[in-house]
Amino acid sequence: DTGVSQNPRHKITKRGQNVTFRCDPISEHNRLYWYRQTLGQGPEFLTYFQNEAQLEKSRLLSDRFSAERPKGSFSTLEIQRTEQGDSAMYLCASSYFNSPLHFGNGTRLTVT
Amino acid sequence: GIQVEQSPPDLILQEGANSTLRCNFSDSVNNLQWFHQNPWGQLINLFYIPSGTKQNGRLSATTVATERYSLLYISSSQTTDSGVYFCAVELKDSSYKLIFGSGTRLLVRP
Repeated sequence: DTGVSQNPRHKITKRGQNVTFRCDPISEHNRLYWYRQTLGQGPEFLTYFQNEAQLEKSRLLSDRFSAERPKGSFSTLEIQRTEQGDSAMYLCASSYFNSPLHFGNGTRLTVT
Repeated sequence: GIQVEQSPPDLILQEGANSTLRCNFSDSVNNLQWFHQNPWGQLINLFYIPSGTKQNGRLSATTVATERYSLLYISSSQTTDSGVYFCAVELKDSSYKLIFGSGTRLLVRP
């Protein structure tokens, strides 16, 4: 069990550019989540996969955000045409059915 | 939507002191989890506790689902306990997402 792995750890991009983050969950976990966290706040739900199916997407997620989990393994989160308001820590988490949720170290995005 | 409220928002303790953190939620939930976010930002799962009481070393948690609250007890606090403690609840609407509270920021002084 190597834990949830996220890459990159940090990303600095210019407004208007596209960025993609990767998450590798714990291998036997079928559920995968993306959250966003800004300074002083709790994590905010973005989207959820069970195996390869994206079952829920937050209403807060604009059309510029898209996530995939091909073959039910790793997942990617893409943000198109980044805005300064997208600056945040993006967290990935995984679990196996009704079991504790485990988080990765996150990807910190800074949009300049 | 469901409200998850944590108290106190901030807490300062002297090393060795005990504390109780509270999480209130406004609707029925499938489960509740407690997390610790250390000063480096890593979120660690402390307890998966839909109901009842669990203990893990100096930490213990109790959830009373019928009264919609959970408590996290920290005994003999250490400086390494510093950070932010979050509770998160899973709604009873067949949605598996966890909704987080705004956290309790704990500072343990040596």
